[in-house]
Amino acid sequence: GAVVSQHPSRVICKSGTSVKIECRSLDFQATTMFWYRQFPKQSLMLMATSNEGSKATYEQGVEKDKFLINHASLTLSTLTVTSAHPEDSSFYICSARAPGPSPEAFFGQGTRLTVV
Amino acid sequence: GENVEQHPSTLSVQEGDSAVIKCTYSDSASNYFPWYKQELGKRPQLIIDIRSNVGEKKDQRIAVTLNKTAKHFSLHITETQPEDSAVYFCAAINQAGTALIFGKGTTLSVSS
Repeated sequence: GAVVSQHPSRVICKSGTSVKIECRSLDFQATTMFWYRQFPKQSLMLMATSNEGSKATYEQGVEKDKFLINHASLTLSTLTVTSAHPEDSSFYICSARAPGPSPEAFFGQGTRLTVV
Repeated sequence: GENVEQHPSTLSVQEGDSAVIKCTYSDSASNYFPWYKQELGKRPQLIIDIRSNVGEKKDQRIAVTLNKTAKHFSLHITETQPEDSAVYFCAAINQAGTALIFGKGTTLSVSS
């Protein structure tokens, strides 16, 4: 099946700094990727839809100036958490669908962000 | 937008028993319903999915049923084993037909 790779898997940063998370589709081109956030013992909440070559679409309640998404190529989307605070500590995970009729989503490994 | 409700939030069964997890969705246009198993700190793993043109799908000990009229779908695990213990999520495609919307999850515990 299609492979989505996410980097880094874990990151610890200080409050006020920014962190960039990368999501790559390794063996297919993805015009659209999705970013989710998962707090401990909770579900995956859709944050935004990343569109190659255009602006991301953010879900209600997600601050676009805080969570910057860039989808500059057909295989890479990045999520930058700006001015991170402890409450941003979470598991961030991306997904993408391979070209074709199948609606199956392929997930990255996830990134555990801890803001201290 | 799409809203997915999942029950129960926790489920404890004895090894060998069956487990059933139920989900409802709000968007009648949704047409794809996957189920995921997630272990702590890992990505969700697709275990079975169903499209709206069928009412049931089975894969060994796992089955999914779909009732489009009632807008609900269920996961059935038979002959449960301790290694089935995990968090299970149902999901549905949202109105735009692109992003998956997840239920809140069910923590399944299978005791031997």
